[in-house]
Amino acid sequence: QSVVTQPPSASGTPGQRVTISCSGSSSNIGSNTVNWYQQLPGTAPKLLIYTNNQRPSGVPDRFSGSKSGTSASLAISGLQSEDEADYYCAAWDDSLNDVLFGGGTKLTVL
Amino acid sequence: EVQLVESGGGLVQPGGSLRLSCAASGFTFSSNWMSWVRQAPGKGLEWVANIKEDGSTRNYVESVKGRFTISRDNAKNSLYLQMNSLRVEDTAVYYCARRAHGSSWSNFDYWGQGTLVTVSS
Repeated sequence: QSVVTQPPSASGTPGQRVTISCSGSSSNIGSNTVNWYQQLPGTAPKLLIYTNNQRPSGVPDRFSGSKSGTSASLAISGLQSEDEADYYCAAWDDSLNDVLFGGGTKLTVL
Repeated sequence: EVQLVESGGGLVQPGGSLRLSCAASGFTFSSNWMSWVRQAPGKGLEWVANIKEDGSTRNYVESVKGRFTISRDNAKNSLYLQMNSLRVEDTAVYYCARRAHGSSWSNFDYWGQGTLVTVSS
């Protein structure tokens, strides 16, 4: 069973830089692009990063993404209180023929 | 402005059926793959199913195969999810999501607000 893994929690103080990791396998992250979603409390997910490192219009450049091999990362610099949310990575899995989401990372701004 | 508005959620007993709808507007609905993604209470996101622009191809997560059917009516700009033989573990908020045109399978650029399905006796 292919699984995409994220740390359940992350935290930082305002102004800090935090990173969230996303670990997969050759059948998902290793062979497909990664997308990241931000879900603010009580709201629907929102596309944050697409195709590994691209930002949709309107997403601040404080958010950046990268991918190497079977892992990907989301970095948030200049952390702000409004960044407190759940973050999910996602990738297609060639073995399962499914979209796989990571388990999600709850970001707390201290 | 792209809008996706889900409806049809509610309380249903185990073994029952429910049909979800998603009304799309603000874009050419027939030009995009569409998906359903669900989120159980307090849990993460789970992709459920997707359907090609013309409805000719459909894919499902293993746990719903044979029970759920995704469909679309491009003339009505609407996406549907027929859910049969519902189980307690199908309880979740169900989101309608648009796959970005020409992009990867997991690139959902617009989401609806979600509709809650509760399966309980």
